[in-house]
Amino acid sequence: DVKVTQSSRYLVKRTGEKVFLECVQDMDHENMFWYRQDPGLGLRLIYFSYDVKMKEKGDIPEGYSVSREKKERFSLILESASTNQTSMYLCASSLYGGNSPLHFGNGTRLTVT
Amino acid sequence: RKEVEQDPGPFNVPEGATVAFNCTYSNSASQSFFWYRQDCRKEPKLLMSVYSSGNEDGRFTAQLNRASQYISLLIRDSKLSDSATYLCVVTYSGNTPLVFGKGTRLSVIA
Repeated sequence: DVKVTQSSRYLVKRTGEKVFLECVQDMDHENMFWYRQDPGLGLRLIYFSYDVKMKEKGDIPEGYSVSREKKERFSLILESASTNQTSMYLCASSLYGGNSPLHFGNGTRLTVT
Repeated sequence: RKEVEQDPGPFNVPEGATVAFNCTYSNSASQSFFWYRQDCRKEPKLLMSVYSSGNEDGRFTAQLNRASQYISLLIRDSKLSDSATYLCVVTYSGNTPLVFGKGTRLSVIA
């Protein structure tokens, strides 16, 4: 079974802090994704990556950056956390391109105070 | 913009009932389709892929209608454990990310 591991289940940070969310997958998947999920808004794609050192903006990249130095690891960075970034963050990976199903981590619930 | 629309529900049904959800998509270039299930405060998990010929997995049946651009999920003999949010997902060619609907919430009541 594919395992996607997110480093923290719950995180509380202060406004203005730099926040790192880490995600690791163990199935040699090419593609990795970061989503946030908010009530009534569904899953929204922040950034994705189809290869090491490669990144593409999703639908809501503002206020975020990513890093993919190794194939198995995809990090989401909040440069200066704000209260409107309080959300559930979900990392996912897939084997191929757009036609492959996603495997999700169990999420990080981030609260910015 | 590639849109995927779902009725948000909630659908409240008694145990044993049959319930169906539809999902419409706007881009005719869509290639692959999936249904995901998400339990409260959990991550989404793949429920089933949707094939052009339709497919069945136990009590669950998925159908695709390319002409009308919708997919459906039918759940027969609903169980309490089927209570969840069901997400419709559409994909396109190449390295375009999957597009998620906002989900339909199902509550199965004893």
